[in-house]
Amino acid sequence: EDQVTQSPEALRLQEGESSSLNCSYTVSGLRGLFWYRQDPGKGPEFLFTLYSAGEEKEKERLKATLTKKESFLHITAPKPEDSATYLCAVQAWGSSNTGKLIFGQGTTLQVKP
Amino acid sequence: NAGVTQTPKFRILKIGQSMTLQCAQDMNHNYMYWYRQDPGMGLKLIYYSVGAGITDKGEVPNGYNVSRSTTEDFPLRLELAAPSQTSVYFCASSRANTEAFFGQGTRLTVV
Repeated sequence: EDQVTQSPEALRLQEGESSSLNCSYTVSGLRGLFWYRQDPGKGPEFLFTLYSAGEEKEKERLKATLTKKESFLHITAPKPEDSATYLCAVQAWGSSNTGKLIFGQGTTLQVKP
Repeated sequence: NAGVTQTPKFRILKIGQSMTLQCAQDMNHNYMYWYRQDPGMGLKLIYYSVGAGITDKGEVPNGYNVSRSTTEDFPLRLELAAPSQTSVYFCASSRANTEAFFGQGTRLTVV
């Protein structure tokens, strides 16, 4: 069964303290791995798509990486405005004609000034 | 651009009542989805559609129905509301095999 697990569930950082969020996945053929940011009371907002092991993508203080079993979202020198829940989702090749995503539970990040 | 628009934003239903959650997108996306999000559980797929007139069940379809008569609209119908349907509902749309864009959500409470 396709599955996505994110860790930790919650993470508290001081402003400027770099860290990483983990997304482990089990899927019958990975077509794509997606990272989203979700602010309280809002819908998820797209950040990155990764397609193959070794791929990396960056946006401001965020960098996403992918291996055959997991993805990391690295946050460098975070600011309070980076506080949000970060969601990881995978799309399997069997679902490539439907676009269906399987989501992890999310990691709630709090960055204190 | 409006993107994906959901109405209403909040709703309280009594057990046994019915309602329709509205979803509209203006990006001409063929693919549309309904997810529910419960605390600590991530998003679960309820129903999806790959085009007008084509819908299929997702992971948690029981108690829900959908229709897709146009490319733009994808309403979700709740029949005989139950407390287990208390959740936040998100509609999303995408082109084939690309990132999905989400609406702002509908927070539903069944009492």
